[in-house]
Amino acid sequence: AAGVIQSPRHLIKEKRETATLKCYPIPRHDTVYWYQQGPGQDPQFLISFYEKMQSDKGSIPDRFSAQQFSDYHSELNMSSLELGVSALYFCASSLGGQGAVATNEKLFFGSGTQLSVL
Amino acid sequence: DQQVKQNSPSLSVQEGRISILNCDYTNSMFDYFLWYKKYPAEGPTFLISISSIKDKNEDGRFTVFLNKSAKHLSLHIVPSQPGDSAVYFCAASGGDDKIIFGKGTRLHILP
Repeated sequence: AAGVIQSPRHLIKEKRETATLKCYPIPRHDTVYWYQQGPGQDPQFLISFYEKMQSDKGSIPDRFSAQQFSDYHSELNMSSLELGVSALYFCASSLGGQGAVATNEKLFFGSGTQLSVL
Repeated sequence: DQQVKQNSPSLSVQEGRISILNCDYTNSMFDYFLWYKKYPAEGPTFLISISSIKDKNEDGRFTVFLNKSAKHLSLHIVPSQPGDSAVYFCAASGGDDKIIFGKGTRLHILP
């Protein structure tokens, strides 16, 4: 079965560069979530989209932006990269949008993009 | 401030015995709790969940117990198998799109 696809798997950037992470949800899933997991840290919710609109926002840094496109894939853009944003970035998808978790829909995670800022 | 706490970073259990992973939460608005399992180089995968209207949910070898008054939940795995060795994340939600994760507990199943 198709899973959540994230690209690239690994990304190495220098300080002040820009990075774009891509997420392709499971077919027919309309909701995408982004999580950031720093070394030794728990996954932190960044932002979510339902039907191409931002549905919730967490601790997403100001220099980050994201969007969901008409084919439901999502991109997380990070500008002026700093050392502190080196982390594993997970994307997850689900079907159901707002309140999906409350209606027993599960999140399906991709394998993550490891971003290293040098 | 951590809303979901997993105070044991790691746990070692003999194969065949019971593994008990614990999780505490602070936000009384949480009404849905989940456990995710993560292998190295893979994303977390959903394991089992429980709604706040229940105090127990069982799925095969996995059982989650919820004690709302203590704001505590636990995951029991019995019998533990070598393939259960992984990092287990406790997570909670208040009904919106946000799922708050704990730091995870690394479970080692010993032969």
